[in-house]
Amino acid sequence: DTGVSQDPRHKITKRGQNVTFRCDPISEHNRLYWYRQTLGQGPEFLTYFQNEAQLEKSRLLSDRFSAERPKGSFSTLEIQRTEQGDSAMYLCASSLGTGGSYYNSPLHFGNGTRLTVT
Amino acid sequence: AQTVTQSQPEMSVQEAETVTLSCTYDTSESDYYLFWYKQPPSRQMILVIRQEAYKQQNATENRFSVNFQKAAKSFSLKISDSQLGDAAMYFCAYRSGILSNSNSGYALNFGKGTSLLVTP
Repeated sequence: DTGVSQDPRHKITKRGQNVTFRCDPISEHNRLYWYRQTLGQGPEFLTYFQNEAQLEKSRLLSDRFSAERPKGSFSTLEIQRTEQGDSAMYLCASSLGTGGSYYNSPLHFGNGTRLTVT
Repeated sequence: AQTVTQSQPEMSVQEAETVTLSCTYDTSESDYYLFWYKQPPSRQMILVIRQEAYKQQNATENRFSVNFQKAAKSFSLKISDSQLGDAAMYFCAYRSGILSNSNSGYALNFGKGTSLLVTP
């Protein structure tokens, strides 16, 4: 168990640029989540994958945001035309869910990617 | 949507003493899960303790225990024999126990957090 890894740890970009983050979940985990955390706030849910299928998206996820999980392994989160309001910590988490059941093992979080938009 | 409220932005406790962090939540559901997560500075978030709403018995994990009051929708975390390594942000979180079209069933809803300072 090497844990959930996220890359990069920090990203500084200029407004209007596109950025892409990567998350590698724990290898046997079939469920993957993206959260966003701003200063002084708790994490806010963005989107959820079960294997390669994106089953849920928050209203927070505007059309500038897109997430993928090809082959049900790693996931990427892309933000197009970044805005200063996108500055935040982007957290990835994974868990193990048994088949189609609703049961969920506890979420394991990565260290996050801190995005700064100048 | 379910809301989670942590009314204590900061708390302080002396080493070896006991501290209680409060959390309340708002829901119309009867089946759900509650969690406390710990986020040390610049480190990843880790699960401290978990409570299923259908269980009447309060969860305990070593020095960590909860006081779950379902009717009052309260879920406080007690840390006994506090250690310097307990210093962190603590987040209370709610997850629905029922997957439906009307909720983000797989999502955790987090409170804003309580910053715990442990003094020697």
